[in-house]
Amino acid sequence: DTGVSQNPRHKITKRGQNVTFRCDPISEHNRLYWYRQTLGQGPEFLTYFQNEAQLEKSRLLSDRFSAERPKGSFSTLEIQRTEQGDSAMYLCASSFVANTEAFFGQGTRLTVV
Amino acid sequence: TQLLEQSPQFLSIQEGENLTVYCNSSSVFSSLQWYRQEPGEGPVLLVTVVTGGEVKKLKRLTFQFGDARKDSSLHITAAQTGDTGLYLCAGVKWGAQKLVFGQGTRLTINP
Repeated sequence: DTGVSQNPRHKITKRGQNVTFRCDPISEHNRLYWYRQTLGQGPEFLTYFQNEAQLEKSRLLSDRFSAERPKGSFSTLEIQRTEQGDSAMYLCASSFVANTEAFFGQGTRLTVV
Repeated sequence: TQLLEQSPQFLSIQEGENLTVYCNSSSVFSSLQWYRQEPGEGPVLLVTVVTGGEVKKLKRLTFQFGDARKDSSLHITAAQTGDTGLYLCAGVKWGAQKLVFGQGTRLTINP
């Protein structure tokens, strides 16, 4: 297992377009988290899954954002009708249920032009 | 308002010097983690502290969790250029499942 994998690493999109990111967690980990990080700030929590159940969503996750983890393995984060303010690094992390130590992927850098 | 406040936000020192980075909060945490992040990469976990007053050492890095579980510090002895990076503290509140991050300390070690 090579750790948490995120694709794509970089995405440039025009305002108003939809984008989807994928995260493949460490295979034994039940929990999967999505965070967003803007320049000069620490990561902000967006949502997390335990297996396939989405258990918590931040108020940052507007109705343009949706995340899924259909079989409790990989996850996707979709942003509809992107806005310039969505430009950020989107980070995925995974952990065991009994342990909140999270291991992060390399992130997807989104630029909305 | 940031739940976890890190200080300083920026630090630039010469190789060989010692430094301390602080992570403070008015909230109590069940555990606290320190990460290091390189530009364009995700954060990499350095250490987790779970007991009030706990001290953990990782080579030249010493991490301490405050007695009241509200604060933490990271001390680096004899800094090296390879220590350059963004250092993030992140806490988990009792009963919560998510990490809450500080804004980070950007450390630059000059040769």
